[in-house]
Amino acid sequence: DQQVKQNSPSLSVQEGRISILNCDYTNSMFDYFLWYKKYPAEGPTFLISISSIKDKNEDGRFTVFLNKSAKHLSLHIVPSQPGDSAVYFCAASVGNTDKLIFGTGTRLQVFP
Amino acid sequence: NAGVMQNPRHLVRRRGQEARLRCSPMKGHSHVYWYRQLPEEGLKFMVYLQKENIIDESGMPKERFSAEFPKEGPSILRIQQVVRGDSAAYFCASSRGASFTDTQYFGPGTRLTVL
Repeated sequence: DQQVKQNSPSLSVQEGRISILNCDYTNSMFDYFLWYKKYPAEGPTFLISISSIKDKNEDGRFTVFLNKSAKHLSLHIVPSQPGDSAVYFCAASVGNTDKLIFGTGTRLQVFP
Repeated sequence: NAGVMQNPRHLVRRRGQEARLRCSPMKGHSHVYWYRQLPEEGLKFMVYLQKENIIDESGMPKERFSAEFPKEGPSILRIQQVVRGDSAAYFCASSRGASFTDTQYFGPGTRLTVL
């Protein structure tokens, strides 16, 4: 049972434009959400997070939006840069429990 | 400020051998997590440990797999009698605490190949 879903396996965006990565979840108990970026042969790198009491969190070029009623979150990258090309994972957790539940990832390619 | 360290980065074992994967958490972090990533899949939680204690091993296969985080030294993920299906990338993460605001930071991973 895939509790966190990233339905788009890949996304291609032109440099300077907005990248929007989407994530859906099924477990209404999730109350903390994170985005990680991963380059080949490296570990995931934390990007940004949001708790369920908020609907938006912004950090530089990265903004995460949370729609609890739709059980949906998205990551916006503006403007996109070639160095953003990587696999992006959405993850969720329940309160102060231990484990993160990851989606299957979306491969973002930013071309010049 | 060194990040999470994992070694070896690559490990090749033949079926039936043992694999030992090591993880040194970030300085000041006392919580360690192990995740496994199979090809073309997301990361799957395996086990969560604090010093000398296993807190949650709900994602760990019941047989052949074990983990420890001793008082001194790195955390060890041990896989006995490896099979081809164990071939994967194994990632360790650490955090300062277990609050949901204590971000998990990941190491570079160990890529295990079972021949």
